[in-house]
Amino acid sequence: DTEVTQTPKHLVMGMTNKKSLKCEQHMGHRAMYWYKQKAKKPPELMFVYSYEKLSINESVPSRFSPECPNSSLLNLHLHALQPEDSALYLCASSQVETRKAKNIQYFGAGTRLSVL
Amino acid sequence: AQKITQTQPGMFVQEKEAVTLDCTYDTSDQSYGLFWYKQPSSGEMIFLIYQGSYDEQNATEGRYSLNFQKARKSANLVISASQLGDSAMYFCAMREVSGGYQKVTFGIGTKLQVIP
Repeated sequence: DTEVTQTPKHLVMGMTNKKSLKCEQHMGHRAMYWYKQKAKKPPELMFVYSYEKLSINESVPSRFSPECPNSSLLNLHLHALQPEDSALYLCASSQVETRKAKNIQYFGAGTRLSVL
Repeated sequence: AQKITQTQPGMFVQEKEAVTLDCTYDTSDQSYGLFWYKQPSSGEMIFLIYQGSYDEQNATEGRYSLNFQKARKSANLVISASQLGDSAMYFCAMREVSGGYQKVTFGIGTKLQVIP
């Protein structure tokens, strides 16, 4: 079983709703990530938090708002989404070490989001 | 910019046979990491195996081995003794480390189906 837990597993929301996706890891990792994955496509990086600070924002629309309350938790706040935002949202975590370290990203099971 | 190429959209293998999934990569970094992930239909990205650019020996993890040919920039995954549970999407990925965080880029994936 993965040590990265994502809730909820499924979410259906209207375009005017506000919802949040949650991710928690218990591996002592200091980097956490949000990915978006459309059907039959590879995951695409959205945000990276390193030591609870936002390090990468891959030009994601402002209707997606990440939050990292502490090193174990990562949230993704959703507001006024569009139907094209329907996708699998994956959270991952890793160590933050030297360039020669493995720094393997471990993923959660994902949240399947449908925007109506 | 780094790039991962997986040229096999789909593969079939007979149960108990071995199968090789191809991956080539392109990077100007001297230090990089290569990963293979498995994604069943449930959606979770499962880490399988890692190869560092400085590792002289090919990585092995149980039935998985990585055929790393640095000069050819290839990192093929070999699955021995295929099982029905191996049916899934397989993604090759490469890590780039910059500014204390890592960014992982995924290939488009190969769908493997194991036939009884």
